Amino acid sequence: EAQVTQNPRYLITVTGKKLTVTCSQNMNHEYMSWYRQDPGLGLRQIYYSMNVEVTDKGDVPEGYKVSRKEKRNFPLILESPSPNQTSLYFCASSQPGVLRPSTDTQYFGPGTRLTVL
Amino acid sequence: AQKITQTQPGMFVQEKEAVTLDCTYDTSDQSYGLFWYKQPSSGEMIFLIYQGSYDEQNATEGRYSLNFQKARKSANLVISASQLGDSAMYFCAMRPLTGGGNKLTFGTGTQLKVEL
Repeated sequence: EAQVTQNPRYLITVTGKKLTVTCSQNMNHEYMSWYRQDPGLGLRQIYYSMNVEVTDKGDVPEGYKVSRKEKRNFPLILESPSPNQTSLYFCASSQPGVLRPSTDTQYFGPGTRLTVL
Repeated sequence: AQKITQTQPGMFVQEKEAVTLDCTYDTSDQSYGLFWYKQPSSGEMIFLIYQGSYDEQNATEGRYSLNFQKARKSANLVISASQLGDSAMYFCAMRPLTGGGNKLTFGTGTQLKVEL
């Protein structure tokens, strides 16, 4: 089954304690992204990657790091989490189309609900 | 820069009725894609429908149709024959079709409640 998986699904942590949220896709997609969702703000992109070892900042990258050492994995790292990073996080992947590049739908993971105390 | 505006924080509709969820956008890109996603209370993001800026016909997917008016920069979602299972948050999103790493820009969402 084609899917994007994220772990953990729920996490409560304390300020300053480094954490990693993993993301893995089994569709051999080139593009992967991280978003955060906050009430009243919709989803905002944190980082994205267009291929292995190619990453770039999205709209809200401060306080986050990513890496793309393998095509299937795109972990999100919070080196020193703070309460304002309490949010719902989504990983997404997609493959640029060939015939119709505009229809490369993004597949979303199930989300990770993070609470930083 | 791109911007998506969804002006309806919440909507109510009776079962079996049609409902329109509004979405307007702003972009300087000549070529772009517009998407609608559904987020039920369980939290996952479900892709519903896509419209390309170059498409002359409005997109349809089952009970979902996208009313695309390019001159007005609007991409409203129409759900026909609403069902209780349609109760969810709905997000409009867009992305440029050249460059951008497939970044989606989302609106703030519309919470739809389908009533008996």
